[in-house]
Amino acid sequence: DAGVTQSPTHLIKTRGQQVTLRCSPISGHKSVSWYQQVLGQGPQFIFQYYEKEERGRGNFPDRFSARQFPNYSSELNVNALLLGDSALYLCASSPNRATYGYTFGSGTRLTVV
Amino acid sequence: AQSVTQLGSHVSVSEGALVLLRCNYSSSVPPYLFWYVQYPNQGLQLLLKYTSAATLVKGINGFEAEFKKSETSFHLTKPSAHMSDAAEYFCAVSDQGSSGDKLTFGTGTRLAVRP
Repeated sequence: DAGVTQSPTHLIKTRGQQVTLRCSPISGHKSVSWYQQVLGQGPQFIFQYYEKEERGRGNFPDRFSARQFPNYSSELNVNALLLGDSALYLCASSPNRATYGYTFGSGTRLTVV
Repeated sequence: AQSVTQLGSHVSVSEGALVLLRCNYSSSVPPYLFWYVQYPNQGLQLLLKYTSAATLVKGINGFEAEFKKSETSFHLTKPSAHMSDAAEYFCAVSDQGSSGDKLTFGTGTRLAVRP
C-alpha cells in the first residue's frame, strides 16, 4: 500500500518567492495535517483539513495557506518566503480527524536563501 | 493546552544497554500520548501510542512505554540497544480544541548507540 507521499522532496527558493508543497494521503484517509519542523526542534502544527474544510490552524502568519481537494490531496502554500521558513514540512493523513490515526510522509525539505 | 517535556536532548548508551528516554506531559484531560522516531532525512514513524487502554504499551522494534498518571510521565524504554536504534525520538500529546485536532511535540531526544 502506498503511504503518504509528498512532493517535491527538496527545493531551494529565494527570499520573497512563493512555494507550493503537495501531499497525497493514504487511500481512504480524509484528513490531512501539515507540520513544520525547523532543524533541531519538534514539529509544529500548521493546518488540519478534514473533508476539504479547514478544521484547525496553528500559530503561523497569513503567508501560510492550504487547501484540500475532492480527492483529499492537499497543497500548502507559503508566500513571501523568509529565511526562517527553511524547514522540513511534514504532511500527515488520518482516516478521520483523530490524531491517533496519523501516518506521516517523509517530508519536503525547503531551503530559503 | 497540552504539552510535553522531554528531559535530555542527547542520550548515549552502549550497544546492548538499557535505553530510557524521558517524557513528562501536561494535560487537563486524559491524554493520548505518542512516541515517534525520526531517522536522518526522513519523516516520523510511530513507535507506539497510549489511548487510555493498558498503561504498559508495547511498540515496534522492541520499544515499550508506561503511562504513569501519578507522575505525569510516559517514558520510553528498550531493554537492549541496537546500533540501528540511533535516531531522534519525539514524544507527543494529542491536543484537541478550537484550533483543530493536532499533536504537540516535545523538543526531541537524540539517541546515540556506542559499539
